[in-house]
Amino acid sequence: EAGVTQFPSHSVIEKGQTVTLRCDPISGHDNLYWYRRVMGKEIKFLLHFVKESKQDESGMPNNRFLAERTGGTYSTLKVQPAELEDSGVYFCASSENRGQNNEQFFGPGTRLTVL
Amino acid sequence: RKEVEQDPGPFNVPEGATVAFNCTYSNSASQSFFWYRQDCRKEPKLLMSVYSSGNEDGRFTAQLNRASQYISLLIRDSKLSDSATYLCVVSSGQNFVFGPGTRLSVLP
Repeated sequence: EAGVTQFPSHSVIEKGQTVTLRCDPISGHDNLYWYRRVMGKEIKFLLHFVKESKQDESGMPNNRFLAERTGGTYSTLKVQPAELEDSGVYFCASSENRGQNNEQFFGPGTRLTVL
Repeated sequence: RKEVEQDPGPFNVPEGATVAFNCTYSNSASQSFFWYRQDCRKEPKLLMSVYSSGNEDGRFTAQLNRASQYISLLIRDSKLSDSATYLCVVSSGQNFVFGPGTRLSVLP
């Protein structure tokens, strides 16, 4: 079974540019999450989709970040315009809809560098 | 204070040693607890869920003390392949709160 995939694996952009990250969850997983790890810090939650609906977006840092999950399949996370502090690794995870104690399966991450 | 705190590490131990990691969490409403491992430049992968009664999986034993809001992970007979960062993860609902991780290096 294919795991969570993310694209691109790396992205280097200049401050002010736009970048769109994509995540394909495990097929059949209703829950999709975005997380971010900035240099030297712990992994932090950004937002959570259940199917196509945003269940919790309390972790989104500001309105330069826009996440979508049209059709409840893959998700995109757009950063516009990118700032230096947005550099980090963006992880996507998915889980089945079985209530509490669900294992979240993580994708390999997208390493974003903003110059 | 961070919501999830872990031993700062790194831990450098010889093969065959027993090593214990500690984790504390501040949110008393937390309901689910996990240990994930993360290899260098890779994604986190579930090592084990942690249950109130404590649980064991081969050389790994996890324990939870809800009253003290404390979680532990014990690795016995450590192998070179156990070298990684161990992440304590806590959830009060669906979303995960990660600790900063403790790095383990098992030396030959």
